[in-house]
Amino acid sequence: GAGVSQTPSNKVTEKGKYVELRCDPISGHTALYWYRQSLGQGPEFLIYFQGTGAADDSGLPNDRFFAVRPEGSVSTLKIQRTERGDSAVYLCASSSEGQGVITEAFFGQGTRLTVV
Amino acid sequence: EDQVTQSPEALRLQEGESSSLNCSYTVSGLRGLFWYRQDPGKGPEFLFTLYSAGEEKEKERLKATLTKKESFLHITAPKPEDSATYLCAVRGSYNTDKLIFGTGTRLQVFP
Repeated sequence: GAGVSQTPSNKVTEKGKYVELRCDPISGHTALYWYRQSLGQGPEFLIYFQGTGAADDSGLPNDRFFAVRPEGSVSTLKIQRTERGDSAVYLCASSSEGQGVITEAFFGQGTRLTVV
Repeated sequence: EDQVTQSPEALRLQEGESSSLNCSYTVSGLRGLFWYRQDPGKGPEFLFTLYSAGEEKEKERLKATLTKKESFLHITAPKPEDSATYLCAVRGSYNTDKLIFGTGTRLQVFP
């Protein structure tokens, strides 16, 4: 596709439920990022993939959060036992690599997660 | 630890009133400073990348500059459609390619 696509755009779930958020990056982009953004704040880093592997998962807040990218393209962010504090906009971004340099990241529209 | 601080938090301008937004950063080794624009309910939209002190980039009414400690986003003769949140991010430490973002500057331009 032309840009980064995230689905669903909105998700309302009950506390304690499991949710999956999907990201379809720009075709050919090897790097994929997940961020979380709360109202009035900048994006907060969660995890970064280079190809199929998680190159940096230092931003995942706890073991309820997990992300995969099995074929090096689409990624899924999984949240178990959701809590009200998980409510935020989850942003996905992708970037390409040229001559060993990772270039700028392009973002999707985000998934607004509300835990009630 | 890599850190980004943006100021002011909010800025109100009259149409045509030029101003600058500041992004101060602390990184172990800068491998890119990025400016994004974010409209309400949307994802950040890429504007500029700067890599070394002294570098400048321009796009329409926007001009980004970089020193060893900070970056400025200059807005010349802004229009109401320039109203948005402007985010600054850095890619620093050599052991990761993650971007560290500031909290943004909310710009409102009134006609």
